[in-house]
Amino acid sequence: QKEVEQDPGPLSVPEGAIVSLNCTYSNSAFQYFMWYRQYSRKGPELLMYTYSSGNKEDGRFTAQVDKSSKYISLFIRDSQPSDSATYLCAMSAGGFKTIFGAGTRLFVKA
Amino acid sequence: SAVISQKPSRDICQRGTSLTIQCQVDSQVTMMFWYRQQPGQSLTLIATANQGSEATYESGFVIDKFPISRPNLTFSTLTVSNMSPEDSSIYLCSASEGNTIYFGEGSWLTVV
Repeated sequence: QKEVEQDPGPLSVPEGAIVSLNCTYSNSAFQYFMWYRQYSRKGPELLMYTYSSGNKEDGRFTAQVDKSSKYISLFIRDSQPSDSATYLCAMSAGGFKTIFGAGTRLFVKA
Repeated sequence: SAVISQKPSRDICQRGTSLTIQCQVDSQVTMMFWYRQQPGQSLTLIATANQGSEATYESGFVIDKFPISRPNLTFSTLTVSNMSPEDSSIYLCSASEGNTIYFGEGSWLTVV
């Protein structure tokens, strides 16, 4: 079993839809949770960073962490074609070892 | 957040040759990392580079194939040696700030 599981998609939605991206994990020691956005042939860009459980909102993006279920989510409201990218979840227990999910490819159709 | 610059951004390399990728960070950072991302795949950590010490390699990666330098707190290089088509990939430099990691734009290498 992988430490972090993420559905690779692709996920295709119409413009304006609410997008839900998810990851599950097995290591209960993880405390730091990140979401990255990666456009084709570019480096990953940090979108959201959350410590421990709870919600964090930044504009159209909301990150949720449920440590009891070992489940994290990224919601994108009013999705735009420019949101089309691969979204990677990442997590760590602290220190310098970060584990990445496989990434979910998202397509937002105009 | 740290701004990370990599070069070259892309290159086409001949089989058997070596290429060195340079990574510059706009601030001093303790830890730098090199990742590989093969087409359609997630990120695989190659090694962790601390300034003033030898890099620590992950399972499946060896210093002879991927020598790394870390001469100061803002700069690192990764060399991909004796390249084969299987080395065609994006190579990503990254640096940690607190408990988050920031990435460069990546170096897209195609080996022919």
